[in-house]
Amino acid sequence: EIVMTQSPATLSLSPGERATLSCRASQTVIRNLAWYQQKPGQAPRLLIYGASTRATGIPPRFSGSGSGTEFTLTISSLQSEDFAVYYCQQYDNWPPFTFGPGTKVDIK
Amino acid sequence: EVQLVESGGGLVHPGGSLRLSCVASGFSFSNYWMTWVRQAPGKGLEWVANTKQDGSEKYYLDSVKGRFTISRDNAKNSLYLQMNSLRAEDTAVYYCARLSGRYYQYYFDNWGQGTLVTVSS
Repeated sequence: EIVMTQSPATLSLSPGERATLSCRASQTVIRNLAWYQQKPGQAPRLLIYGASTRATGIPPRFSGSGSGTEFTLTISSLQSEDFAVYYCQQYDNWPPFTFGPGTKVDIK
Repeated sequence: EVQLVESGGGLVHPGGSLRLSCVASGFSFSNYWMTWVRQAPGKGLEWVANTKQDGSEKYYLDSVKGRFTISRDNAKNSLYLQMNSLRAEDTAVYYCARLSGRYYQYYFDNWGQGTLVTVSS
C-alpha cells in the first residue's frame, strides 16, 4: 500500500498570501496524483489531476507540480473561499486508492 | 450537469446491515467506473470500493472485504453499497464518486453530497 503524507497539518495565512502545500508518497506514483478541496459540511471537490492539470472550472490561482514521490499544491493568492482542507490522493497503484491526511488552510 | 445523489444512511446497531444507493444523472453512467469513499467524523478520506462500468471488476478496502458488496444497475443509473456485519468503526459519511482517467489510472472527478451511516448500540 502506498502511504501518503502531507505537510504542514495546518497552514495559517492571510487573504492575498501565497499557500504552498506539500504531499509525499511512500513510493513513486509517477504523476498519478490528485488534489481535492473540502469545505466544512461539503463533499470534496477535484482541483488537480495528473499532478498539474486543473480540473474543469478551477481558477488559475491553483497550480500543482511534482512527480515521483514529491508534490506541491500552490495557491498563488488566497481568496476567502479557499480556506478549507486539502487532500492529495494517489491513483497510480491500487487497490487501495490512498489519500493523505489533509492540510487545513485557515485564516491567520 | 453531473449529479450524484446518495441515500440510505442512518443509525444501525453493531452487526446490522444497511444498503446505500447513489443515483447518477447528467452523464452516461454505464461508461464510467464508480466508487464509494467514506469519511469518519472529523477524519480524512478513505476509499472503500469501486466497480468497473459493467460490474465485471470490483475492488475493496481490506477492512470491508467479505462484509461490503458494491454493485450497480446501469438501467437505473444507480450504484449501491450493501453493508453487512457493521462495526462502530464503519461510522462515517459515505460518498459516491465518479472515476475518470484511462488505463486503470483513475481519479475521482465528481462526488455526491454524502450520506451518514452511524453504527451504535
